[in-house]
Amino acid sequence: AQKVTQAQTEISVVEKEDVTLDCVYETRDTTYYLFWYKQPPSGELVFLIRRNSFDEQNEISGRYSWNFQKSTSSFNFTITASQVVDSAVYFCALSEAVSSNDMRFGAGTRLTVKP
Amino acid sequence: DSGVTQTPKHLITATGQRVTLRCSPRSGDLSVYWYQQSLDQGLQFLIQYYNGEERAKGNILERFSAQQFPDLHSELNLSSLELGDSALYFCASSPSGPNGNTIYFGEGSWLTVV
Repeated sequence: AQKVTQAQTEISVVEKEDVTLDCVYETRDTTYYLFWYKQPPSGELVFLIRRNSFDEQNEISGRYSWNFQKSTSSFNFTITASQVVDSAVYFCALSEAVSSNDMRFGAGTRLTVKP
Repeated sequence: DSGVTQTPKHLITATGQRVTLRCSPRSGDLSVYWYQQSLDQGLQFLIQYYNGEERAKGNILERFSAQQFPDLHSELNLSSLELGDSALYFCASSPSGPNGNTIYFGEGSWLTVV
C-alpha cells in the first residue's frame, strides 16, 4: 500500500533562511507520481510540482527546488531565501496511477517564516 | 487561480440540515474530485467523476452524495449534517491524457455545522 510521511509537523524559520521540507514515500509500484501542494492561510490548495518515478532529475523553479532520490524514497522540497509569503502548509502526495483517485497525501508540514 | 470554481466559499448550517456544494472544473477537464479536509482526518478523497460517470469512491459517507452533470459541473450533497461534518470541502479537476493525475484544486468550501 502506498504511504507518504512528512515527519516535520511544523517548521519555523526567519526570513531569508533556506528551509527543506522532507517527504518520504512507500510504494510497491515501479511507476508512480509524486506531487507537492501549498496551502496558504487562505485555504486553497496550490499545485507546485509533479514528478514521475522515471525522472530523477532535480528541478528548480525560482527559489523552489525539489530533490527526488529513489534510493531513499524521498522527494524533498527546498525553499531558498524564504519569504513571509512562503508561510503555508505544504503537502507531499503520491499517486500510483494516471487516474488520480488513488492519490495519497502526507499529513503536511506547516512552515512559518518570520520577518 | 487554478480555474476550478467552488461555491459557496463559506456556509454555516445546523445539525440535521442538508447542503449542496457546487463546483465547476477547469475548462476542458473531464474528471472532477471531491475531497474533505478536517483537522483530525487530514485530506480525504471522497469521490471522483469522469465525464458524468462515477469513477471511484473513497471515504464518502452514505449521507453524502455527488453527481456530475452534462456540462461537467458537479455537486456534492451533504445531508443529515452532524457536527463532525464541519470541514473544508475541496473540489478538484484533472485533465485527460498523460497529465491526468495532476489534480487542480478549487479554493474550497468551508462548512461549519452548529
